[in-house]
Amino acid sequence: TQLLEQSPQFLSIQEGENLTVYCNSSSVFSSLQWYRQEPGEGPVLLVTVVTGGEVKKLKRLTFQFGDARKDSSLHITAAQPGDTGLYLCAGANQAGTALIFGKGTTLSVSS
Amino acid sequence: SQTIHQWPATLVQPVGSPLSLECTVEGTSNPNLYWYRQAAGRGLQLLFYSVGIGQISSEVPQNLSASRPQDRQFILSSKKLLLSDSGFYLCAWGAGAPHQETQYFGPGTRLLVL
Repeated sequence: TQLLEQSPQFLSIQEGENLTVYCNSSSVFSSLQWYRQEPGEGPVLLVTVVTGGEVKKLKRLTFQFGDARKDSSLHITAAQPGDTGLYLCAGANQAGTALIFGKGTTLSVSS
Repeated sequence: SQTIHQWPATLVQPVGSPLSLECTVEGTSNPNLYWYRQAAGRGLQLLFYSVGIGQISSEVPQNLSASRPQDRQFILSSKKLLLSDSGFYLCAWGAGAPHQETQYFGPGTRLLVL
């Protein structure tokens, strides 16, 4: 069974700090998506990465897909309270039979 | 642009009662549709997916069922709810190879079974 492990599970930081969250697996994924979810709402897509080594930037968020397409990271620069939420990664397995979700990283940014 | 709707937003039901949750998508044709359940600390669990009208695939055995009576409508049902059915139910749509494409989520339905 393919698994996506996200770390850390919880992260509490002050406004202005930088942070990185990780999404790791022993399996190869054909693509990987990052979502942010706020309490009581559905996940909102942030980015999809498909090429090994790919780096995408979304304002203060930088996403990287590992060269072997087994892992990904999300780096936030100068975090703001509006970044608070649950960050989920999801990978499409190479067999094309499932989208595997990690359990998420809960980020809290206080001012 | 595409939008996805779910209702109700919140539902409190007694054990043994029936369930019907509805999901509709606007602005796209022949989408792949998905039902997930999200439990605290356990991530998203895929329950059902559909690639077309009347085509339903079940991922886990359970007392829930799904139907797709129209192209952009996906319904999650149960004849008799269990306590363990409580959770946050999410509908999602995608427009590519099933499970491979980017999925877009609805706002969710919070179900509490008492």
